Amino acid sequence: QVQLVESGGGVVQPGRSLRLSCAASGFTFSSYGMHWVRQAPGKGLEWVAVLWFDGSEKYYADSVKGRFTISRDISKSTLYLQMNSLRAEDTAVYYCARQSSFDYWGQGTLVTVSS
Amino acid sequence: SYALTQPPSVSVSPGQTASVTCSGDKLGDRYTCWYQQKPGQSPVLLIYQDTKRPSGIPERFSGSNSGNTATLTISGTQALDEADYYCQAWDSSTVVFGGGTKLTVL
Repeated sequence: QVQLVESGGGVVQPGRSLRLSCAASGFTFSSYGMHWVRQAPGKGLEWVAVLWFDGSEKYYADSVKGRFTISRDISKSTLYLQMNSLRAEDTAVYYCARQSSFDYWGQGTLVTVSS
Repeated sequence: SYALTQPPSVSVSPGQTASVTCSGDKLGDRYTCWYQQKPGQSPVLLIYQDTKRPSGIPERFSGSNSGNTATLTISGTQALDEADYYCQAWDSSTVVFGGGTKLTVL
């Protein structure tokens, strides 16, 4: 069965960096586009980034462009989100999700940006 | 940038039909997906490509999309359908979510 497991969240000071991971299993990871989506406490879903199924394209929300980088390691079936220059407004649960219709989601990992 | 607008809340009596709308400019020209999220849980895909249900999603959930509005319809609403509902569409190569609608079953 398809599983997505996020990790790497935690408490980080403003301006610092953090890398999130999403370990995928139960499907051919290299054949699917993958997304990061976040949800601030008590708020709605906000799309963050997408990596094309063939790795050829990456797109970002304006709110994270230039600070966040999405990547993957096919050999490890793992998706990453490198987050630099973190701000208080980046505080959220971060989910990875599969494919253009977000058919599977992980359980999320909480990132708290606070001094 | 493209925006999707949902009503913040919708109320429905058990057994009745609930409709959750999602509005956007010429939304009918794009595919829309719908997600259900219960407190403390990850979102679940309910509807994709406007009208299609993934396996395991009950038939009481249905979708439509025309003009500027997509609609999620829940027939015979049950107490367990109380949740937040989000619509989603693609804008060129980026993704947009609606602000979410809290469905209350009372």
